[in-house]
Amino acid sequence: DTAVSQTPKYLVTQMGNDKSIKCEQNLGHDTMYWYKQDSKKFLKIMFSYNNKELIINETVPNRFSPKSPDKAHLNLHINSLELGDSAVYFCASSQSGTRVEQFFGPGTRLTVL
Amino acid sequence: AQSVTQLDSQVPVFEEAPVELRCNYSSSVSVYLFWYVQYPNQGLQLLLKYLSGSTLVESINGFEAEFNKSQTSFHLRKPSVHISDTAEYFCAVSASGYALNFGKGTSLLVTP
Repeated sequence: DTAVSQTPKYLVTQMGNDKSIKCEQNLGHDTMYWYKQDSKKFLKIMFSYNNKELIINETVPNRFSPKSPDKAHLNLHINSLELGDSAVYFCASSQSGTRVEQFFGPGTRLTVL
Repeated sequence: AQSVTQLDSQVPVFEEAPVELRCNYSSSVSVYLFWYVQYPNQGLQLLLKYLSGSTLVESINGFEAEFNKSQTSFHLRKPSVHISDTAEYFCAVSASGYALNFGKGTSLLVTP
C-alpha cells in the first residue's frame, strides 16, 4: 500500500530517557513533516524537510532532533524526555509545487511517565 | 503569519440533519485552505482543499466547503450527516505550501 507509515504506534517511557520515532513514505514525495498533537488535540508543526534539507524549524526544544537520511524517511529523536512531551506525533509528506496537500501517518502516541 | 479559528469546539447533530462547521482564517497573503478529518485513534485524512479556481469544493462523501475571500471563511457543510461522520474536523491554512496551520478542531457528534 502507498502510504505514510510510522513506528512505533505506541511508546511508553520514563522521564529522562532518549527515544526515536521513525517515519517512511512511499508516495515519492520530496517534503516531509513532523507535527505534535497535544492532549487538547491541537496540532502544531514542528519540522519540515524538503529534499533532505531542513526548511521549517518551529520553536521546539533542542532535545528534539529530526534526521532525514533520504527523501523517503524522516526520523525524530528526542533526548531527555519530559512529562510535557507526552503527545501524539504525526509524520506527513507532500510534493512541493502545485500539489500542496499533505498525507499523514497514523501517529505515534508517546507517553512519558 | 496565518491563523485559523474554528468557532465551535463541539457540534452535536442528529442523523440525517444538515451541519455546518465554521472556519475563519487570517492572512496577509493568498492561502491554500484544507479540511482534514480525524476518526478516533487514527491519523488525519484530507477531506477537501481549496487551492485556486472555483470557490466551492466538494468531497466524495458529500461534504462541501466554500471559500469566501471577503469574509475570510472556509465553512464546511453537509446536507445530511450519518453516524459514521462522527469525528474531529480540522480546518488548516497554508501560505507557503509547506507548513499547515491548524485550527483547534471541531468535534462532530452524530446521534440517532
